[in-house]
Amino acid sequence: NAGVTQTPKFRILKIGQSMTLQCTQDMNHNYMYWYRQDPGMGLKLIYYSVGAGITDKGEVPNGYNVSRSTTEDFPLRLELAAPSQTSVYFCASSPRTAANSPLHFGNGTRLTVT
Amino acid sequence: RKEVEQDPGPFNVPEGATVAFNCTYSNSASQSFFWYRQDCRKEPKLLMSVYSSGNEDGRFTAQLNRASQYISLLIRDSKLSDSATYLCVVGAGGFKTIFGAGTRLFVKA
Repeated sequence: NAGVTQTPKFRILKIGQSMTLQCTQDMNHNYMYWYRQDPGMGLKLIYYSVGAGITDKGEVPNGYNVSRSTTEDFPLRLELAAPSQTSVYFCASSPRTAANSPLHFGNGTRLTVT
Repeated sequence: RKEVEQDPGPFNVPEGATVAFNCTYSNSASQSFFWYRQDCRKEPKLLMSVYSSGNEDGRFTAQLNRASQYISLLIRDSKLSDSATYLCVVGAGGFKTIFGAGTRLFVKA
């Protein structure tokens, strides 16, 4: 019963490098989300998807890109990493829209950009 | 003003104590309300949804006051294992879900 799986758990990047954070879910949820959590702040929505092939920007999308080729997978791409992207990233899924149903979170990716 | 505000705490309470957290929200059109629990360096997990009539789950009671735009979480008979950060989450419709920064709780023996 895996739920939402994120990889990697930790990563250190140098400024200007790129990477992809992987996220997969086995609950057949249509809705998937990427959040970032900074110390002392609430989670901020980066991108979300309502189904395969459909994605949209959230509150803080700059510097990120996503794709949703299958129901299960929702990778987050960081291009040209910057220190401001140092954060904890959570992928989540839900059976209905986030405002109307609980979110199921992955266990997070801690990213440091130096 | 933040859209969802919580007292960051920390709240330090002894085992067996009753503790209450409040959370205020600014958007009167908000439709759904949740409390999540987040352990240190872990992902948030749903603790309970908050319904208009109030609801209870064991030692936990959630209340919603739409007129004053706040929700509350009451924990009775606190356990050491209740030590965590409690996140107030407000859904304003569609994909607009606002997370509070959390209230930290430490329960001491």
